[in-house]
Amino acid sequence: DQQVKQNSPSLSVQEGRISILNCDYTNSMFDYFLWYKKYPAEGPTFLISISSIKDKNEDGRFTVFLNKSAKHLSLHIVPSQPGDSAVYFCAAAINTDKLIFGTGTRLQVFP
Amino acid sequence: GAGVSQTPSNKVTEKGKYVELRCDPISGHTALYWYRQSLGQGPEFLIYFQGTGAADDSGLPNDRFFAVRPEGSVSTLKIQRTERGDSAVYLCASSPAGGSYEQYFGPGTRLTVT
Repeated sequence: DQQVKQNSPSLSVQEGRISILNCDYTNSMFDYFLWYKKYPAEGPTFLISISSIKDKNEDGRFTVFLNKSAKHLSLHIVPSQPGDSAVYFCAAAINTDKLIFGTGTRLQVFP
Repeated sequence: GAGVSQTPSNKVTEKGKYVELRCDPISGHTALYWYRQSLGQGPEFLIYFQGTGAADDSGLPNDRFFAVRPEGSVSTLKIQRTERGDSAVYLCASSPAGGSYEQYFGPGTRLTVT
């Protein structure tokens, strides 16, 4: 039972354009959502998060949007840069216990 | 400052052997987590420590897996009678006290069971 789903395994975007990564979840008890970025042979790196009481959080080029009624969140990266090429994982939590991760989306930003 | 470190970075073992994987969390972080990541999947939760005690071990797949954190800092994940299906990257993460959701991950240990 996959509680957090990333249905796009890969995404290719031109440098300077917007990247939009999507994530759906099924458990309405999740109260916090996070995005992690992962390079090969490294551990996931925290990128940005959002509480379930908000619908948007912005940090520089990164913005996360949360639609609770649709149980959907998205990560927007604008403008996209080649260094953004990595695997992005969506994760959700109830309280501060374990994180439940999606399967990841591989983003490639080309010149 | 120093991040989460894990040793060894790679471990190859034969089926049936015993292995130990070590995690050094960020200094001062009271919460420590173990996850397992298989190819093409996201990290899957194994166990969570708050201080020395296991607060949630619901992700351990069976009784061959065990983890300890005797002094509330370094943790060791122990796998007995390894099976080929145990092959994965084992990730450790830590989090500061005070109810922080953000977890900081180490580089992982790649375990290969032959």
